[in-house]
Amino acid sequence: DAGVTQSPTHLIKTRGQQVTLRCSPKSGHDTVSWYQQALGQGPQFIFQYYEEEERQRGNFPDRFSGHQYPNYSSELNVNALLLGDSALYLCASSFFSPSRQYFGAGTRLSVL
Amino acid sequence: AQTVTQSQPEMSVQEAETVTLSCTYDTSESDYYLFWYKQPPSRQMILVIRQEAYKQQNATENRFSVNFQKAAKSFSLKISDSQLGDAAMYFCAYRSAYSGGSNYKLTFGKGTLLTVNP
Repeated sequence: DAGVTQSPTHLIKTRGQQVTLRCSPKSGHDTVSWYQQALGQGPQFIFQYYEEEERQRGNFPDRFSGHQYPNYSSELNVNALLLGDSALYLCASSFFSPSRQYFGAGTRLSVL
Repeated sequence: AQTVTQSQPEMSVQEAETVTLSCTYDTSESDYYLFWYKQPPSRQMILVIRQEAYKQQNATENRFSVNFQKAAKSFSLKISDSQLGDAAMYFCAYRSAYSGGSNYKLTFGKGTLLTVNP
């Protein structure tokens, strides 16, 4: 049983570019949450997707958007990249009801 | 809004000894969950232990146990018989127990880096 998988593992972009990160949830899970973890900090909640809709959003600008597909996989898109967007982006999957969230190994985004 | 505070940026322990990591939180809710996650250099967050606020009994998972003080809003993690593999970043996290689409996010502290010395 594959756990949560994220791709790519590492990405380098320049300021102003756009990036798409991908996440495949653990088998059977229908909910995907995204977190941003800056260096030396704890993860910060970006948003959560269930039934292909954004259900909850943290304090992040509209440059951060997402999508969930019918197979429950999800994408995180960031437009007009800033240096401050450099971080580890973590995806977590779960059932929609309050339940344990399982994390992927993350995508390390570097913005130059 | 809920906040989680970890006041120890770094801790160290000798192999086979016991170490306690501290966490305090702030919330106006009465029902919630608290977690300790471990993040090794591989970056993947691993759940160590979970505590439900309505349960007075402290959670235990093998060498890991918590001291949950609800009135004091304190949630510390005790690691007994520390092993080299315990070395990692440890995060304390909070999640509301109330249903509804707006309450499932995890709120994390800044973490404590644990070093285990042989």
